[in-house]
Amino acid sequence: NAGVTQTPKFQVLKTGQSMTLQCAQDMNHEYMSWYRQDPGMGLRLIHYSVGAGITDQGEVPNGYNVSRSTTEDFPLRLLSAAPSQTSVYFCASSPPLPASTDTQYFGPGTRLTVL
Amino acid sequence: QQPVQSPQAVILREGEDAVINCSSSKALYSVHWYRQKHGEAPVFLMILLKGGEQKGHEKISASFNEKKQQSSLYLTASQLSYSGTYFCGTLGAGNQFYFGTGTSLTVIP
Repeated sequence: NAGVTQTPKFQVLKTGQSMTLQCAQDMNHEYMSWYRQDPGMGLRLIHYSVGAGITDQGEVPNGYNVSRSTTEDFPLRLLSAAPSQTSVYFCASSPPLPASTDTQYFGPGTRLTVL
Repeated sequence: QQPVQSPQAVILREGEDAVINCSSSKALYSVHWYRQKHGEAPVFLMILLKGGEQKGHEKISASFNEKKQQSSLYLTASQLSYSGTYFCGTLGAGNQFYFGTGTSLTVIP
C-alpha cells in the first residue's frame, strides 16, 4: 500500500513551458485534490475531484487543468508556466469527502521552480 | 472562507503549554488539525465533528465551539518534536476544503 504518490519530486521549468504533475493513490479514495503552498504560506486549493469523471475548481485554479479518468489518478497540468507558479504542490486523497471522520492523506509534494 | 488562526507564531521552552486558535466566518461542521514540519507534507492530528466531544491524542487535545465557530488546539508539556506549523482545516461550500492561515510553533530546549 503506497498511499499517495507524486512525481516528479523536483522540477525546473522555463516560462511558457507546459508540464503535468502526476498523482496516484491506491486506497480507492473518491476525493482527491491539489494544493499549492508558497513559502511561509498555508495551502490553497487548486482543483478537486469527488470521483472519477468529476472535477471542480478550487480557490486558485487559473493556469491549471485537471482530469480524473480513473479513481486512482489525478494529474495536474500547467498550461503555460509562469514564475508565479513557483511553489510546492501537494496532492491529497480521502474517502469519500473531507467532512467524514477520516482525514486527507497527502503525497510528499512536488517542488516546482519556474524561471 | 479561509479560517484565521492565532497566534501566527509562538516560541516555547520544553515543558510549556500552548493554545492555538482557529476561527471561521462560516458555520463549521467539522474541524481538522494538521501539523507540518519543514519540507514535509502535512500530517493529520485529529478531527472534531459538530456535536462531538473534545478529542485528545497524548498531550495534544482540541475543542470545538460550534456556536462561536471556533476550535482550539491545546499542546501540553511541549516537546521538541512538537515544533512545526499547525493548520486547522474546514470544509466549505461545494466540498472545498480550506486550510487556516497557519501557526508556527517552535519548541526550544
